[in-house]
Amino acid sequence: EAQVTQNPRYLITVTGKKLTVTCSQNMNHEYMSWYRQDPGLGLRQIYYSMNVEVTDKGDVPEGYKVSRKEKRNFPLILESPSPNQTSLYFCASSLSGTDYEQYFGPGTRLTVT
Amino acid sequence: AQSVTQLDSHVSVSEGTPVLLRCNYSSSYSPSLFWYVQHPNKGLQLLLKYTSAATLVKGINGFEAEFKKSETSFHLTKPSAHMSDAAEYFCVVSDRSNYQLIWGAGTKLIIKP
Repeated sequence: EAQVTQNPRYLITVTGKKLTVTCSQNMNHEYMSWYRQDPGLGLRQIYYSMNVEVTDKGDVPEGYKVSRKEKRNFPLILESPSPNQTSLYFCASSLSGTDYEQYFGPGTRLTVT
Repeated sequence: AQSVTQLDSHVSVSEGTPVLLRCNYSSSYSPSLFWYVQHPNKGLQLLLKYTSAATLVKGINGFEAEFKKSETSFHLTKPSAHMSDAAEYFCVVSDRSNYQLIWGAGTKLIIKP
């Protein structure tokens, strides 16, 4: 089944404790991205990757890191999480860039206390 | 810079009546435009997309949208609402200059029995 998977789905952590949210797609997609969703703000892009080893900042990259060592994986790293990073996070992928349909993962709800 | 404005944060209609969700965009060139839907506690799914072909675009579940360049609008419509349409809807524009997607803040559609 074609899909984007994210893990974990739910995470409660404390300020400053490094964490990684994994994202993997099995559709051989070139483009992958991370979003955060907050009430009343829609989705805001954190980072995106046009293809392997090419990543770039979105609108809200502060406090986040990503890497794209393999085509299928695009992990999101929070080196030192803070409470303002409490949010719902979505990973997405598409065949090639933003003119194509984005396929979304199920979301990761992160709470930082 | 591209931007998207969804003119209503909430829209409430009775089951069986027409739905209109409004979206205006700004773009310095001919954009690609999308509507995505997010059902409660679910992921995001593409409803329809416009990519410079026919200006009236048909999507899934009976939804359609019309691209009006002169009005910079891409409103979403459905002739007859169903209870299962209750969800949040996002209008999205593709910014080809930097490979990003710009999301509206969302419109929550409420269906009254």
